[in-house]
Amino acid sequence: KAGVTQTPRYLIKTRGQQVTLSCSPISGHRSVSWYQQTPGQGLQFLFEYFSETQRNKGNFPGRFSGRQFSNSRSEMNVSTLELGDSALYLCASSQDQGLNSPLHFGNGTRLTVT
Amino acid sequence: AQTVTQSQPEMSVQEAETVTLSCTYDTSESDYYLFWYKQPPSRQMILVIRQEAYKQQNATENRFSVNFQKAAKSFSLKISDSQLGDAAMYFCAYYSGGGADGLTFGKGTHLIIQP
Repeated sequence: KAGVTQTPRYLIKTRGQQVTLSCSPISGHRSVSWYQQTPGQGLQFLFEYFSETQRNKGNFPGRFSGRQFSNSRSEMNVSTLELGDSALYLCASSQDQGLNSPLHFGNGTRLTVT
Repeated sequence: AQTVTQSQPEMSVQEAETVTLSCTYDTSESDYYLFWYKQPPSRQMILVIRQEAYKQQNATENRFSVNFQKAAKSFSLKISDSQLGDAAMYFCAYYSGGGADGLTFGKGTHLIIQP
């Protein structure tokens, strides 16, 4: 079974631009969650999606948004990029709703904002 | 908001020895889940072990075991017979069922295995 796939692996953007990151979960997994990892703040929860519905959202500004499609693939969008948005963005999938199930993580997308 | 504290930014252990990584958390919930995740240099996060708070028995997965002290809000990870492949960042995480906190992670412990 293929693992969680995140694309692209690396991205360089300029302040003020917007970016879309993609996550394909393990086949059969219906839950997708997103995390931001930075040296200063560590790992922070962004969103959780299950069956195309956002179940939970972390304490991030409205510039961070996401969605999930009927095939469980998910995208995350960040608008009006700021330097502080530079981070590794991780996506994880699981079979069931809720984050108490074992999560399977992708390799992440490294976003650099200049 | 829940908080998870890992007081050891870095730990070093000789190959084949045993090491214990510390984790404490703060919560007012009685039902929750605790996890240890491992992030090797390749950066793909892997679940090491999972503990349900209502279960008093400590979880064990091969060479990995936890010491779960609910009253003390402590959840340490013991790695026995350390191997070179255990070298990684280890994150303790907490989940109580949703909300803005989602899955709350500690800052991580960098584990170095000395050959």
